[in-house]
Amino acid sequence: KNQVEQSPQSLIILEGKNCTLQCNYTVSPFSNLRWYKQDTGRGPVSLTIMTFSENTKSNGRYTATLDADTKQSSLHITASQLSDSASYICVVPTYAGNNRKLIWGLGTSLAVNP
Amino acid sequence: NAGVTQTPKFRVLKTGQSMTLLCAQDMNHEYMYWYRQDPGMGLRLIHYSVGEGTTAKGEVPDGYNVSRLKKQNFLLGLESAAPSQTSVYFCASSYPRSGGVTETQYFGPGTRLLVL
Repeated sequence: KNQVEQSPQSLIILEGKNCTLQCNYTVSPFSNLRWYKQDTGRGPVSLTIMTFSENTKSNGRYTATLDADTKQSSLHITASQLSDSASYICVVPTYAGNNRKLIWGLGTSLAVNP
Repeated sequence: NAGVTQTPKFRVLKTGQSMTLLCAQDMNHEYMYWYRQDPGMGLRLIHYSVGEGTTAKGEVPDGYNVSRLKKQNFLLGLESAAPSQTSVYFCASSYPRSGGVTETQYFGPGTRLLVL
């Protein structure tokens, strides 16, 4: 069964600290994985996309990694800021013929406290 | 550019009432989507459209209808609202996907719907 599981479900850290969020998927065949950030009361915003051949990609203080062998991706946030408080969602596409379905994770809720 | 906008932001309905949610985008995107987001569940696709005048069913289409008469607008209708349709509804839009890379979807701010 195609699934995307994220951990932890929620996380609280102090401002300035680093954290790592996990996304495990069982989607096959795999082509790419995208991370979204969703602020409370807002729609998701894309942070980065990881394709099959990529291992690491940075976007400012956000660094995503991908291990296609173990079917895991992580999102590392460096020197966290209060504005990083949000839900972080990973999503992986599955394909059946020409039909594509996006499998959305439940997200990790991150709270950055002063 | 406003990006993706949704109206209304919040609505309370009684069971059996009808309503239409409006989504508008000014990015000239071909694709548009309607999702619902519920606690403990990932985003679920209701309906989508790959171009003006075309619509298709997503994962959870029952109880909803859509129309895409203009490229920039995507309407979601509830003909007879039920408490199970209490949710946050998000509209999104994107360019057509190229190759094997999933396209970036741009989301609106959401509509919070409460059905009593």
